[in-house]
Amino acid sequence: AQSVTQLDSQVPVFEEAPVELRCNYSSSVSVYLFWYVQYPNQGLQLLLKYLSGSTLVKGINGFEAEFNKSQTSFHLRKPSVHISDTAEYFCAVSDLDDKIIFGKGTRLHILP
Amino acid sequence: GAVVSQHPSRVICKSGTSVKIECRSLDFQATTMFWYRQFPKQSLMLMATSNEGSKATYEQGVEKDKFLINHASLTLSTLTVTSAHPEDSSFYICSAQSGGVSYNEQFFGPGTRLTVL
Repeated sequence: AQSVTQLDSQVPVFEEAPVELRCNYSSSVSVYLFWYVQYPNQGLQLLLKYLSGSTLVKGINGFEAEFNKSQTSFHLRKPSVHISDTAEYFCAVSDLDDKIIFGKGTRLHILP
Repeated sequence: GAVVSQHPSRVICKSGTSVKIECRSLDFQATTMFWYRQFPKQSLMLMATSNEGSKATYEQGVEKDKFLINHASLTLSTLTVTSAHPEDSSFYICSAQSGGVSYNEQFFGPGTRLTVL
């Protein structure tokens, strides 16, 4: 069975500082990995995804993530955050049956 | 990109009534749609998977008689919460997938907030 662990429930970061949101997964098969963002009272928006190929994935809004198979991690990074990045971020995993399993989410607080 | 809509965005109903939520893929045909629920400050939990023209597959612990899912066309799936109770209050999100032999991205709707009084 697959599972996703987001190690931090909340991450406070000063504006213009870098941020890393951590995600570890477990799966017995090859997986697809995702990061989604959810703004208050809204649905999910895909930030980026890893399907295959290059382990460094670039997404929207200046975010990127690196797939590390040996550490079973898929951490999300941004070099300089803005107030508008305040949101809930979900790491997710899917395999060939297309079911997406979500982590519990990390709330990113941008401090002025 | 592909757009998925949900209607209504918010609904408040009395306990014991039924509520229907619609999920539409606006610019693509969705062979598969997924329904999730999200409790406050928690993650999304998959409730069921529906394929056009066939019965939905429910996840363990989800009551199929309470959460009726219909996927009658390639652009529309509906979730009906029957005899709703306050514990059914939640944020319901659908996603749609176009299908195919290789990986197909799921596109998420904006969600429907259900409040049962």
